[in-house]
Amino acid sequence: EAGVAQSPRYKIIEKRQSVAFWCNPISGHATLYWYQQILGQGPKLLIQFQNNGVVDDSQLPKDRFSAERLKGVDSTLKIQPAKLEDSAVYLCASSFLPMGERAYNEQFFGPGTRLTVL
Amino acid sequence: AQSVAQPEDQVNVAEGNPLTVKCTYSVSGNPYLFWYVQYPNRGLQFLLKYITGDNLVKGSYGFEAEFNKSQTSFHLKKPSALVSDSALYFCAVRDWDRLAFGKGNQVVVIP
Repeated sequence: EAGVAQSPRYKIIEKRQSVAFWCNPISGHATLYWYQQILGQGPKLLIQFQNNGVVDDSQLPKDRFSAERLKGVDSTLKIQPAKLEDSAVYLCASSFLPMGERAYNEQFFGPGTRLTVL
Repeated sequence: AQSVAQPEDQVNVAEGNPLTVKCTYSVSGNPYLFWYVQYPNRGLQFLLKYITGDNLVKGSYGFEAEFNKSQTSFHLKKPSALVSDSALYFCAVRDWDRLAFGKGNQVVVIP
């Protein structure tokens, strides 16, 4: 089966500019995640969607970050305006079901978008 | 909040020798623990998970992990390391509706 697709793979922008990332999850996966991975750290969840609804965005810096999944399939993550500290790899992942109380569903990760803010 | 710690930044091992990557956890209740691997310029790949049952969990690419409740550890192991195992390894724990990752361990397998 096709994996999680992300684009672009690399992006270089200057601070205060805007940027958007796109993710296409595995077909049939209802749950979609966006993670931020800063160099030397593990991935940190930014936002989780269940179909087209937000399940958890508690760690999303909402003053500058936004995300949507309008039709419950593809998703976009936007940063406006970007700061130097936003330089990171942005990973998209999907799973068939959410991680609930009595179930675990493996998360499949895309290759990521490496963002450099100058 | 649930968390994991990976105490080492880098693990160097000679090809053919046993490989161990350490992870300790801090949870309330029963832990759901995972290992992922990240190769350069690629996303994370799932290796194995512990939910319940046997303390020794077998996963992909010949890896296994041992769950030790008394030591709150979940170390990743491979009996004989390959050069192709050189990568970044992440331990993670389920924290309600999300995965909480450790900072990662760079594994370097020396030919």
